[in-house]
Amino acid sequence: GAVVSQHPSRVICKSGTSVKIECRSLDFQATTMFWYRQFPKKSLMLMATSNEGSKATYEQGVEKDKFLINHASLTLSTLTVTSAHPEDSSFYICSARDLRGGGADTQYFGPGTRLTVL
Amino acid sequence: LAKTTQPISMDSYEGQEVNITCSHNNIATNDYITWYQQFPSQGPRFIIQGYKTKVTNEVASLFIPADRKSSTLSLPRVSLSDTAVYYCLVGALNTGGFKTIFGAGTRLFVKA
Repeated sequence: GAVVSQHPSRVICKSGTSVKIECRSLDFQATTMFWYRQFPKKSLMLMATSNEGSKATYEQGVEKDKFLINHASLTLSTLTVTSAHPEDSSFYICSARDLRGGGADTQYFGPGTRLTVL
Repeated sequence: LAKTTQPISMDSYEGQEVNITCSHNNIATNDYITWYQQFPSQGPRFIIQGYKTKVTNEVASLFIPADRKSSTLSLPRVSLSDTAVYYCLVGALNTGGFKTIFGAGTRLFVKA
């Protein structure tokens, strides 16, 4: 399978600061990447779809000004949590869509980033 | 988007074969079926993907009946390390775009 990396793996920050999370597809190009959020014992919740060279598409209820997404290249998307608050503490996971499989939608996921806001 | 339904949890013992069934009654003609495995505090890992009949790889088999309204992930001879959450997803690429909606998944507990 393909490899997707995330950095950092965990971050602790103070309330009010901004945190940037990077998602990279290491061995394939991804025109589309996705950002998810996951709470303990819960399923993944899609936050936004990141398209290379265009604006991200956010899911209902996700604040685009708080969760800034940039997809400047075919291998890198970043999620910036601005003015983080304790309620933003969560596990953030990205995925990259691999188009090499024809009509199938195959996504490969990063290892996740644990964000703790104090 | 095709909605999926899976059992919330399953128990098994080491060495047994485990079959997890997923229902997707409104699967579209172009949709593929993909299964992921997730361990705590890790991103989901791709297990297997198929469109129809049977697909087998080094870790699992995927059985899809002719009507494609369900699919079964088969894990042969599970071990303790197979304890995880398993997600079934359906979808396909199309000009309108596609996004993945995760269901609750199936929590598999493998006991010694």
